[in-house]
Amino acid sequence: SQKIEQNSEALNIQEGKTATLTCNYTNYSPAYLQWYRQDPGRGPVFLLLIRENEKEKRKERLKVTFDTTLKQSLFHITASQPADSATYLCALEGYDYKLSFGAGTTVTVRA
Amino acid sequence: GAGVSQSPSNKVTEKGKDVELRCDPISGHTALYWYRQRLGQGLEFLIYFQGNSAPDKSGLPSDRFSAERTGESVSTLTIQRTQQEDSAVYLCASRRQGFEKLFFGSGTQLSVL
Repeated sequence: SQKIEQNSEALNIQEGKTATLTCNYTNYSPAYLQWYRQDPGRGPVFLLLIRENEKEKRKERLKVTFDTTLKQSLFHITASQPADSATYLCALEGYDYKLSFGAGTTVTVRA
Repeated sequence: GAGVSQSPSNKVTEKGKDVELRCDPISGHTALYWYRQRLGQGLEFLIYFQGNSAPDKSGLPSDRFSAERTGESVSTLTIQRTQQEDSAVYLCASRRQGFEKLFFGSGTQLSVL
């Protein structure tokens, strides 16, 4: 069955450092991969989208890579700030338009 | 409206009762998704609509769960004979079309006593 795995542990980093989050998948051939941010008590908010034929996307301090051979996406937050503290979710979408989410990785940025 | 609206924001019910959760998507969004999120866990796909058609109902946990959508507008998720394990946040999201970003509502927190 299809499986999406994100960093199993929460990530604690010092302000100014780069946070790197991992999203691995199995038994899946996604057409698109998306990353969302979720704050406590709120719905997820879209951050970045990358297509299967793209290797890398950037938006301000965020960068996502997509390796369909390794079946992995990496999500980077550079120059991290305490305001970046949240749970980050990866989501895969197949050609059937079904969007499936990973369990998320909680990031805490210490001032 | 400006965003996806869900109601009620909180619902407390007794085991065995039926509940109805409502989602108003962003105007013009043809696709609508329902997810369930248990405490401290990720999003569990339930169902999605394209227009008022539901091509994929594979995530509905049991026949106690059903959903419908009127045209490209409001959707309702109904849970019959609620059980304690149904307690969770139910999130709705919409988008204009496939392969675009989802816009989420704030969810309905369902508590079954």
